[in-house]
Amino acid sequence: DTEVTQTPKHLVMGMTNKKSLKCEQHMGHRAMYWYKQKAKKPPELMFVYSYEKLSINESVPSRFSPECPNSSLLNLHLHALQPEDSALYLCASSHDGTSGTKNIQYFGAGTRLSVL
Amino acid sequence: RKEVEQDPGPFNVPEGATVAFNCTYSNSASQSFFWYRQDCRKEPKLLMSVYSSGNEDGRFTAQLNRASQYISLLIRDSKLSDSATYLCVVNRLGSQGNLIFGKGTKLSVKP
Repeated sequence: DTEVTQTPKHLVMGMTNKKSLKCEQHMGHRAMYWYKQKAKKPPELMFVYSYEKLSINESVPSRFSPECPNSSLLNLHLHALQPEDSALYLCASSHDGTSGTKNIQYFGAGTRLSVL
Repeated sequence: RKEVEQDPGPFNVPEGATVAFNCTYSNSASQSFFWYRQDCRKEPKLLMSVYSSGNEDGRFTAQLNRASQYISLLIRDSKLSDSATYLCVVNRLGSQGNLIFGKGTKLSVKP
């Protein structure tokens, strides 16, 4: 089973709302990732968690706040977003991201976010 | 030079055609290479890992040339269901688990 589950599938929010995106995997993976993808563009890395610790933050604005409560769960808290933040938000996980096949990332179906 | 560059596409081919995608990467020390496939409005899915010895999975063959820093994907006997965007992916050294995605090449297989 290589399933990564993301909820919700779709989200519409206003610029003053606070919402959270959730991601879950039960593959025993110890690295988890958040990506943002705009139409006709490749995924852009936002955050990497390794063994539940934030290891990479790709200079993401503070209105995006990641959280890793345990090795199976990854959240992305959203606050005061802008319309240009509308995109597909993808979660991924990998064994531990070290090398070779351990680098293979499995993606969830994503949350399609619209900010009004 | 961009970290990962792919053929611009789109590729429009008839069913049964053979199509080849190329990709170059800039960091000679990169060690992990993959092809992912992404259908419209869906998530990327691993198509295959790429090894120096070359690897084949059914109609798909991937090759890696480390000297030229070049990766290829060959699809034989194209099916309508092969229509998708193909992403060339390389690991970023010194950054655990950080993968660099090419911009992707769109393939449309027509009847």
